[in-house]
Amino acid sequence: GAGVSQSPSNKVTEKGKDVELRCDPISGHTALYWYRQSLGQGLEFLIYFQGNSAPDKSGLPSDRFSAERTGGSVSTLTIQRTQQEDSAVYLCASSTRTSGGAVYEQYFGPGTRLTVT
Amino acid sequence: GQNIDQPTEMTATEGAIVQINCTYQTSGFNGLFWYQQHAGEAPTFLSYNVLDGLEEKGRFSSFLSRSKGYSYLLLKELQMKDSASYLCAVRERTGGSYIPTFGRGTSLIVHP
Repeated sequence: GAGVSQSPSNKVTEKGKDVELRCDPISGHTALYWYRQSLGQGLEFLIYFQGNSAPDKSGLPSDRFSAERTGGSVSTLTIQRTQQEDSAVYLCASSTRTSGGAVYEQYFGPGTRLTVT
Repeated sequence: GQNIDQPTEMTATEGAIVQINCTYQTSGFNGLFWYQQHAGEAPTFLSYNVLDGLEEKGRFSSFLSRSKGYSYLLLKELQMKDSASYLCAVRERTGGSYIPTFGRGTSLIVHP
């Protein structure tokens, strides 16, 4: 079956511009995560959606970052007034659900490589 | 919050065994994952531990000690294709959220 897809695969933008990154999770997966990965760094958690619950935005680095998930499926991460330090690979992951103790591993998309010039 | 530590880089010989360690500190432990990430690709799931002990899956095994905040990933009969970054991730329950936090990864280089 289809995996997690993300678009665009690459995005080059000028400092100060807004960008939108899209994630299509695996059908039926209720949990969706956004991470970013800078060169040589680990995955930095950004935001988490679980079903119809309010998202956990605790990882968003500033108020320039926002995300929404429409209809419990597709998610869009928006970065306003981009800065050079926003350059990274933005990864989306989905899982069947989250609960205590069960596996529910994450399935990652191929990522969007964002370069801010 | 969490603090996850794993070595930055390891090298090993084809056919050998390598152990990658991960230590963590967390207040709401809810499972530990290992992922493999080849350069330029997305992470893929390898293993999961929530109870103490060893989980074996083919050439890969993962061990967990919750009291020590310690896990390791054991790779046997190393192959060149095992050269990749190995990410330790600890899922923590914070309120109603279950969010895996990742370490920086261990870059494994397998040489002939």
